[in-house]
Amino acid sequence: QVQLQESGPGLVKPSQTLSLTCTVSGGSFSSGGYYWSWIRQHPGKGLEWIGNIDDSGSTWYNPSLKSRVTISVDTSKKQFSLKVRSVTAADTAVYYCARGTNMIDWGQGTLVTVSS
Amino acid sequence: QSALTQPASVSGSPGQSITISCTGTSSDVGGYNYVSWHQQHPGKAPKLMIYDVSNRPSGVSNRFSGSKSGNTASLTISGLQAEDEADYYCSSYTTSSTVVFGGGTKLTVL
Repeated sequence: QVQLQESGPGLVKPSQTLSLTCTVSGGSFSSGGYYWSWIRQHPGKGLEWIGNIDDSGSTWYNPSLKSRVTISVDTSKKQFSLKVRSVTAADTAVYYCARGTNMIDWGQGTLVTVSS
Repeated sequence: QSALTQPASVSGSPGQSITISCTGTSSDVGGYNYVSWHQQHPGKAPKLMIYDVSNRPSGVSNRFSGSKSGNTASLTISGLQAEDEADYYCSSYTTSSTVVFGGGTKLTVL
């Protein structure tokens, strides 16, 4: 069973960069064919796909966030990361990492609040 | 990309069957057999219940089933149980190589 765990600051100031890391354990990370995803959920709202990355580093992003988002991968550490630049209060959400475009396995999620 | 369309809420009594629809376009739901369904209980992370339209991950009850016709996918839960009360989200791969979610459906077990 693959397990994923998000980590990073729970509070970010407006205009700064939100940075999160997802650490994968309990399974293969780069055996080929895997995609690693980021999803967020605004308080009391639905799920929003942010983007994903494959183990070669190719990325795909939600068009609405593409200009501010970067996803990267470090296969040696079995981690992938999310950066969201120039954040505002509208980026306050629970951020989830997941395995696959099907989102076969999910992390527990981490709340990030954007506030001064 | 526009969110897939789901009913805001559905309800059913224990033992009954319910169906949740997920409507997209030929650029997402209708174009690929890559529709998934996720269950989310309050305060918890989502859980994959159905992938690739109709496949169940190991450990998911066979009371959950999925199907697709044209641009609309459906999740059916038979033999409704109290523990099934949750929010359900569909998701689909798109022609832009992205993923889009539905707005979510709140299932109430009466």
